[in-house]
Amino acid sequence: DSGVTQTPKHLITATGQRVTLRCSPRSGDLSVYWYQQSLDQGLQFLIQYYNGEERAKGNILERFSAQQFPDLHSELNLSSLELGDSALYFCASSRTSGSQNEQFFGPGTRLTVL
Amino acid sequence: GESVGLHLPTLSVQEGDNSIINCAYSNSASDYFIWYKQESGKGPQFIIDIRSNMDKRQGQRVTVLLNKTVKHLSLQIAATQPGDSAVYFCAENTSGGYQKVTFGTGTKLQVIP
Repeated sequence: DSGVTQTPKHLITATGQRVTLRCSPRSGDLSVYWYQQSLDQGLQFLIQYYNGEERAKGNILERFSAQQFPDLHSELNLSSLELGDSALYFCASSRTSGSQNEQFFGPGTRLTVL
Repeated sequence: GESVGLHLPTLSVQEGDNSIINCAYSNSASDYFIWYKQESGKGPQFIIDIRSNMDKRQGQRVTVLLNKTVKHLSLQIAATQPGDSAVYFCAENTSGGYQKVTFGTGTKLQVIP
């Protein structure tokens, strides 16, 4: 158990809908990262937050957004969902935002868009 | 369990033998590298890391080798066990203070009992 929790574990929705994925980092970790893992793309970094502020952006679509709240939990919002958004979404956390920090991954949320 | 990737390279190793998993990275500015293990249905798990000022680092049963000249990273697992069966990813961090991780596509390790 990494100490990172994600909810829900599974999510099934329809095209055009909007969903929110939630992540609670390990106790004491200030950085949260979101990743998308699909069968044909592997693990793709989406976005990073540190202590409530956006720190780095990866391959995140404009239809997607995220935020980190004062209690350090984070939410990833996916809107106007398409079939291709079906994937595993992982959250990870680390102690700081520096470039050489071990990331601890949550168990993931499996999103299925029908 | 869930499969990760339809076209992952697969390495099959006899239990007890040593495994070597290779990874090529692309960014010469990357200064920190990590190997992750992902078991079926779980998130990636940190195995070992190495900074760019080193060429070798050893952990418990694992060794990471870094060749910056050819931008190549390898993970060696000694005395491979059935519990080592998983997908292994290398990841590179670009420098600049923020951790922006780029993962490789992964290698599936199958341990034959």
